[in-house]
Amino acid sequence: GDQVEQSPSALSLHEGTGSALRCNFTTTMRAVQWFRKNSRGSLINLFYLASGTKENGRLKSAFDSKERYSTLHIRDAQLEDSGTYFCAAEATSSGQKLVFGQGTILKVYL
Amino acid sequence: GPKVLQIPSHQIIDMGQMVTLNCDPVSNHLYFYWYKQILGQQMEFLVNFYNGKVMEKSKLFKDQFSVERPDGSYFTLKIQPTALEDSAVYFCASSRLGTSQNTLYFGAGTRLSVL
Repeated sequence: GDQVEQSPSALSLHEGTGSALRCNFTTTMRAVQWFRKNSRGSLINLFYLASGTKENGRLKSAFDSKERYSTLHIRDAQLEDSGTYFCAAEATSSGQKLVFGQGTILKVYL
Repeated sequence: GPKVLQIPSHQIIDMGQMVTLNCDPVSNHLYFYWYKQILGQQMEFLVNFYNGKVMEKSKLFKDQFSVERPDGSYFTLKIQPTALEDSAVYFCASSRLGTSQNTLYFGAGTRLSVL
């Protein structure tokens, strides 16, 4: 079936530094969404992309359907960025269901 | 931002009983979804619902499962009867348009424990 491989599975960042999360897809995806799960378990919407890049504050995301990947860049990480990040994508052949990545547990420390 | 509310946050029931999970979606949204996450595994699609009908369902959406949204109230997932393997966190989501055009908003989930 459609697969989403998310990496890394865990990431520790010193406050003020940055890094990137990546999702690779085994098939062509129509769109990708990125979420962060906060400490209360709620999924917070970060980005929805059908193509190209989007930026919001210290977060930037890119999606390349042809090359079958999406990235989420975090710069100047802050303590409140800690949480679990998920990508979820919709295959062009699969109607309206999202396939989720395994998640990346991010810890930002002082 | 828009919020999807799920009630209750945790439900414990005995195997074989019926359970109904409730979801209060975002008010002007038209598409509704249930996802299931077993502990330690990825979140997986169960079903989507639009205009009073199930549009798509996965193989996880067993015959014992049903969904409805009577009179524009809660969007519900009913499991009757429950089985041990139904223990999981169930996430409700809604979107104004279909997922190819618009983002999904998720609730915080209901943890279902079947004993």
